[in-house]
Amino acid sequence: DTEVTQTPKHLVMGMTNKKSLKCEQHMGHRAMYWYKQKAKKPPELMFVYSYEKLSINESVPSRFSPECPNSSLLNLHLHALQPEDSALYLCASSRSSGTSGYEQYFGPGTRLTVT
Amino acid sequence: GENVEQHPSTLSVQEGDSAVIKCTYSDSASNYFPWYKQELGKRPQLIIDIRSNVGEKKDQRIAVTLNKTAKHFSLHITETQPEDSAVYFCAASIREYGNKLVFGAGTILRVKS
Repeated sequence: DTEVTQTPKHLVMGMTNKKSLKCEQHMGHRAMYWYKQKAKKPPELMFVYSYEKLSINESVPSRFSPECPNSSLLNLHLHALQPEDSALYLCASSRSSGTSGYEQYFGPGTRLTVT
Repeated sequence: GENVEQHPSTLSVQEGDSAVIKCTYSDSASNYFPWYKQELGKRPQLIIDIRSNVGEKKDQRIAVTLNKTAKHFSLHITETQPEDSAVYFCAASIREYGNKLVFGAGTILRVKS
């Protein structure tokens, strides 16, 4: 399996809802990432997990809560979001997050709309 | 922190012509430079990458060049085809920040047939 999968494809939620995004890979990668992408903009890094431990948090508001239950799964828990959080949320994975640079492969994303 | 600038923001070429997109980076410690292609409504797709110990890399119609002294790298697409139309993002990886990718703003490439 050479793909990163994400569910759901689309999500509409109110500002008081709690929802979760899910990402899965079966490539044996040990680093996983969450990115946020607004329309016509590049992806912006939110979180990096390396060997199931959070290694980078790009000062993301606490209403976004990542979780890495095992080396194949990555979740993003959402709570009390704002309309400006509406975006495409992309998951990516790579062999590791070491310093020599490894290819990152993206999932198809979850299109999130906050109403 | 690292800053990546990408030019041009839009590029229109005739089918069969070449296209060149240029990026500059600020952090001399960056050592990995991937290029992603993103079609409308789809995921970013890695099309080619280069590491700082290499000056040029080719893959069929696509090539990337890196000038570490000038801190810039370029994507070259030859014999463009309509299916090359997409948004292209360059990125640079910060060595001490463990594979964190900083992206350029993107280039919309339109190939006219």
